[in-house]
Amino acid sequence: QVQLVQSGAEVQKPGASVKVSCKASGYTFTHYGINWVRQAPGQGLEWMGWINPYNGKTNYAQKLQGRVTMTADTSATTAYMDLRSLRFDDTALYYCAKDGQQLDPNWFDSWGQGTLITVSS
Amino acid sequence: DIQMTQSPSSLSASVGDRVTITCRASQSISIYLNWYQQTPGKAPKVLIYAASSLQSGVPSRFSGSGSATDFTLTISSLQPEDFATYFCQQSYSTPFSFGQGTKLEIK
Repeated sequence: QVQLVQSGAEVQKPGASVKVSCKASGYTFTHYGINWVRQAPGQGLEWMGWINPYNGKTNYAQKLQGRVTMTADTSATTAYMDLRSLRFDDTALYYCAKDGQQLDPNWFDSWGQGTLITVSS
Repeated sequence: DIQMTQSPSSLSASVGDRVTITCRASQSISIYLNWYQQTPGKAPKVLIYAASSLQSGVPSRFSGSGSATDFTLTISSLQPEDFATYFCQQSYSTPFSFGQGTKLEIK
């Protein structure tokens, strides 16, 4: 079955960077995009961006442009999300989520377990 | 950017009730509307995609309808495991956006 397993929780200081990994299994990694979605404590869901692991094409939310980079290692079937210049309001649970159909980003049919990133001085 | 507005924000209901949650988009999104269920401490789970398609493995008591700007999620007969938070999401154009959520509680 499809599984997305994310890296563990981290605490970072303001201004630092964090890199979250998402190991995929149970499907052909290069056939479906991976999205990153975050959820601040007690809040709703925010889409951060998408990567096509086949060709590395990305699509980032405008508000994160310049601070976020999404990559994929096809040999390791792992996607990564790198967020720089961390701010207090980046504190959130970060999820990776697989596209439900091929080609363009769409709905999310499988999710990782989430990675809590806490930004604290 | 497309704004998604859900109503109500919270809802109390009993086991066996029929419940409807609505989602409105700030512009037409055709049928590019998806519904998710989230229980405390868990990742969201897709219920409905493309407005009315039931995700594999999801009970048939869940159904979705609508197009353009107005959409509904209906649970025909609430079960204990359905008490959760529900989110709509538009996949018409990036940046994708979610509704603020509807928390369904036991009456």
